[in-house]
Amino acid sequence: GAVVSQHPSRVICKSGTSVKIECRSLDFQATTMFWYRQFPKQSLMLMATSNEGSKATYEQGVEKDKFLINHASLTLSTLTVTSAHPEDSSFYICSASVRIPSGTDTQYFGPGTRLTVL
Amino acid sequence: AQKVTQAQTEISVVEKEDVTLDCVYETRDTTYYLFWYKQPPSGELVFLIRRNSFDEQNEISGRYSWNFQKSTSSFNFTITASQVVDSAVYFCALRQDSGAGSYQLTFGKGTKLSVIP
Repeated sequence: GAVVSQHPSRVICKSGTSVKIECRSLDFQATTMFWYRQFPKQSLMLMATSNEGSKATYEQGVEKDKFLINHASLTLSTLTVTSAHPEDSSFYICSASVRIPSGTDTQYFGPGTRLTVL
Repeated sequence: AQKVTQAQTEISVVEKEDVTLDCVYETRDTTYYLFWYKQPPSGELVFLIRRNSFDEQNEISGRYSWNFQKSTSSFNFTITASQVVDSAVYFCALRQDSGAGSYQLTFGKGTKLSVIP
């Protein structure tokens, strides 16, 4: 399957700082990337969808000014958690897919980034 | 609205036993896609299978098999002769074209499978 990488895999930061997480598709060009958040022992919650070259579409309840998403190229999307607080501590997972009109594209997931805000 | 229900929160089996993970979905669309993903303790989601709504053929891949029944809106996953390495959380997911151009996945809550040696 396709490979998606995330960096960093783990980050610990102080409250009030900003953290950037990178998501890269390594062997394919991703027209669409997704950002998810997963709390312990819970399912994935979609935060936003971003298409290359356009603004991200945020899910209801997700603050776009707090979670800045940039889909700079067909292989890179970044999520910046601005002014992080302890409640932002979570497991952030990105996924990437190639948009196919027939709908047969598949989302491939990165390994996730565990954010801990002290 | 679409919904995915994985009623089994946790399952424990002894190695070599067969186990079936249930998935029931709700959607109003006639065209949709169903997925299964595996999330081992490392956290990375591993794609297992995609099935579109027009293809009700069951599929077998090694020890894995999937049973898609549109009549009951179910897409169950069976692991035959389970192994310790199968221990993970398994997610069922549904995708329909939202019409706004975003191919969103709706995930079930996951089933944690523990295979005991």
